[in-house]
Amino acid sequence: AQKITQTQPGMFVQEKEAVTLDCTYDTSDPSYGLFWYKQPSSGEMIFLIYQGSYDQQNATEGRYSLNFQKARKSANLVISASQLGDSAMYFCAMREANTGNQFYFGTGTSLTVIP
Amino acid sequence: NAGVMQNPRHLVRRRGQEARLRCSPMKGHSHVYWYRQLPEEGLKFMVYLQKENIIDESGMPKERFSAEFPKEGPSILRIQQVVRGDSAAYFCASSPTTASLQETQYFGPGTRLLVL
Repeated sequence: AQKITQTQPGMFVQEKEAVTLDCTYDTSDPSYGLFWYKQPSSGEMIFLIYQGSYDQQNATEGRYSLNFQKARKSANLVISASQLGDSAMYFCAMREANTGNQFYFGTGTSLTVIP
Repeated sequence: NAGVMQNPRHLVRRRGQEARLRCSPMKGHSHVYWYRQLPEEGLKFMVYLQKENIIDESGMPKERFSAEFPKEGPSILRIQQVVRGDSAAYFCASSPTTASLQETQYFGPGTRLLVL
């Protein structure tokens, strides 16, 4: 079974609007962390935001927030006030306490911001 | 404050040649990870190393692939007798510790390997 599922291969959003990128995960480990990364066309992976499985509140980092629904095993990324520079691939990833060292990545969502 | 450095950024090899990919972790980081990204896919874990030790190589193909992180110098991912299916982007990441679940891994810019 896939550890991380991103069902939206591509998304479009109007500049200055908000957009939600979906991510669901599968784990039996009660302790885990969820991460979102941005990969622009230049190829590097940029860390955006983190949510721990025991965190009571949704994580926020500037224009990024994470809609964490633990019972549904979803960790959707919300980008508010989209900017042209937000156009990129976005990857959801998970790290489990039991497996520790490796990150499991989804297949990514390509976001295009339209002026 | 330099980030994770990888070189070369692009590498072209013919089938049967060897590919050597280098990774210098961020200053102060002693944990190195290698990931492979095939076209249209997410990153897949290959191997986790600390200085002079391979800690977890569960994602590494059993043949032709090897990795090292010597006491001095960068980490090396080596692919012998490359085949077309090895064409991919190879990312290196580093972290200072693994103690905290929320510790992110810091990624390098990747090496794009093309096998002709």
